[in-house]
Amino acid sequence: SQTIHQWPATLVQPVGSPLSLECTVEGTSNPNLYWYRQAAGRGLQLLFYSVGIGQISSEVPQNLSASRPQDRQFILSSKKLLLSDSGFYLCAWAPGRGEQYFGPGTRLTVT
Amino acid sequence: QQPVQSPQAVILREGEDAVINCSSSKALYSVHWYRQKHGEAPVFLMILLKGGEQKGHDKISASFNEKKQQSSLYLTASQLSYSGTYFCGTEGAGGTSYGKLTFGQGTILTVHP
Repeated sequence: SQTIHQWPATLVQPVGSPLSLECTVEGTSNPNLYWYRQAAGRGLQLLFYSVGIGQISSEVPQNLSASRPQDRQFILSSKKLLLSDSGFYLCAWAPGRGEQYFGPGTRLTVT
Repeated sequence: QQPVQSPQAVILREGEDAVINCSSSKALYSVHWYRQKHGEAPVFLMILLKGGEQKGHDKISASFNEKKQQSSLYLTASQLSYSGTYFCGTEGAGGTSYGKLTFGQGTILTVHP
């Protein structure tokens, strides 16, 4: 069966510090991968979308970036965090064009 | 554009029914439904593809009216475990929307004993 992992689970970072969140999927190959952000009490905002290694689509212009160095690895990064980057970051995978399965998420607080 | 969900919140007693609606202003290929418990990740419930289908399992079902670009989620004989925030996610029919979901703002469902 397929599983999706995210780490860290929680993170507290000062403004201006760098960020690296990692997501890995097991039990499948060539999945579509997604990064979402959810502000407190809000809906899900799609940040990045990838259909393959090195193929990244950015949905929201901001100070975040994403990379997919391996088929089942998706990384979200920032060089300098802003207060507005705080939120619940969710990675998801999909077997092509279909239902999406979410990882446990990373709760990021920028202070 | 973000789909619009209604109602924003609903409170039920165990055993009561509820309907959550999701409406989009653009042509859709699919509608997804997810449930999120507080502090947890969303969990996939079901997907409906264009063609005006209806799906269901156990006491949760959904319909998709492709012509009206609307979907409804039906929860019957609600249980305490149904409590949470329900999100619809829509995938546009255009090529640029392939595999990408836009989520509604969510509907908070609370079931009391």
